[in-house]
Amino acid sequence: DAKTTQPTSMDCAEGRAANLPCNHSTISGNEYVYWYRQIHSQGPQYIIHGLKNNETNEMASLIITEDRKSSTLILPHATLRDTAVYYCIARLSSGSARQLTFGSGTQLTVLP
Amino acid sequence: DAGITQSPRHKVTETGTPVTLRCHQTENHRYMYWYRQDPGHGLRLIHYSYGVKDTDKGEVSDGYSVSRSKTEDFLLTLESATSSQTSVYFCAISESKAGPPNYGYTFGSGTRLTVV
Repeated sequence: DAKTTQPTSMDCAEGRAANLPCNHSTISGNEYVYWYRQIHSQGPQYIIHGLKNNETNEMASLIITEDRKSSTLILPHATLRDTAVYYCIARLSSGSARQLTFGSGTQLTVLP
Repeated sequence: DAGITQSPRHKVTETGTPVTLRCHQTENHRYMYWYRQDPGHGLRLIHYSYGVKDTDKGEVSDGYSVSRSKTEDFLLTLESATSSQTSVYFCAISESKAGPPNYGYTFGSGTRLTVV
């Protein structure tokens, strides 16, 4: 799986958009970008994933650059409950019991 | 998550005793995983299973064994608990057997194990 690089921490004002960057310059053509988050003391939670196109679901949007070397997770209207560690992971999608390899992630703190 | 349950949620045990943690799923997912999480190390894979009676080792498997006799249950056993195994243990599932592939992993709420 390709290595990903994320900032250690970020702050965001409540109600504003939170934009979390991720670099994955060595990503291969068939590796997806996955985002998970972990709220304190809870298990990680799947947010979104994408290959080439931008993706949106009820939780967030994922913007992937055309060269696929970086991506941005967008939480459109951050709330205090979005305070968590956010993990960006590059891996193949389905078809095998491939482990998720978690890096250090980004600690997002949403400020009132 | 309602489809995956870990038990017990908390446990304190003595060094040298065997301990078994249970992960139970009602989602009919093919793959199951055990991770541990420690400060400064993040989440690390212990063992995983790709089907009944099919298991394999992860990066930190020493001192642990697993069994999967049914699709819904994945057991993690610490054969002789040590203080270094004090950690939070998470179970995860992926790949529904029925319907389109589920690309996301679902994690349990965790088991906090303390070895004294």
